[in-house]
Amino acid sequence: EDQVTQSPEALRLQEGESSSLNCSYTVSGLRGLFWYRQDPGKGPEFLFTLYSAGEEKEKERLKATLTKKESFLHITAPKPEDSATYLCAVSSGNTPLVFGKGTRLSVIA
Amino acid sequence: NAGVTQTPKFQVLKTGQSMTLQCAQDMNHNSMYWYRQDPGMGLRLIYYSASEGTTDKGEVPNGYNVSRLNKREFSLRLESAAPSQTSVYFCASRTRTGIETQYFGPGTRLLVL
Repeated sequence: EDQVTQSPEALRLQEGESSSLNCSYTVSGLRGLFWYRQDPGKGPEFLFTLYSAGEEKEKERLKATLTKKESFLHITAPKPEDSATYLCAVSSGNTPLVFGKGTRLSVIA
Repeated sequence: NAGVTQTPKFQVLKTGQSMTLQCAQDMNHNSMYWYRQDPGMGLRLIYYSASEGTTDKGEVPNGYNVSRLNKREFSLRLESAAPSQTSVYFCASRTRTGIETQYFGPGTRLLVL
């Protein structure tokens, strides 16, 4: 059974304080790993897809990386507007995505 | 493109009442999904439709039914609402189950009294 574990559950950062969010997964044949951002009261918004170990994707202050067992979402010099819940999900074969429970990020000015 | 749309945005029901949550997508996606999201529980899959004409149970299907009306529309029905079904419901769609990106609707907030 595919599983996704995200850590930490919550993270509080000062503005400008870089950090990383972790997504550990066990899956029988990874086809894709997805990162989403979710703001309060809204649906998850797609950020990145990673397909193979060693792959990296960047968007503004965010960079996602992938190994064979985990993915990291690095946040460089975060701003208060980066505050959100970040969700990780994996796809294996023709089955629905399996989501982690998310990391709730708060960036304090 | 509106993407994935959901109606209503918010609903209050009394225990035992029924209602249907509507979802539509205009991206010509084959697969559609219904999730519920509760504090501390993450997104949990209720039902999905891999393609028009098929539906399958997810992790938490009890108390719900679905209808894939056509390729665009996928509805979720609560026949007899219970307080345990108080939640935020999200619809999502993707081209096919595989590597393609999945897109979410804005959600329906449901309160069952």
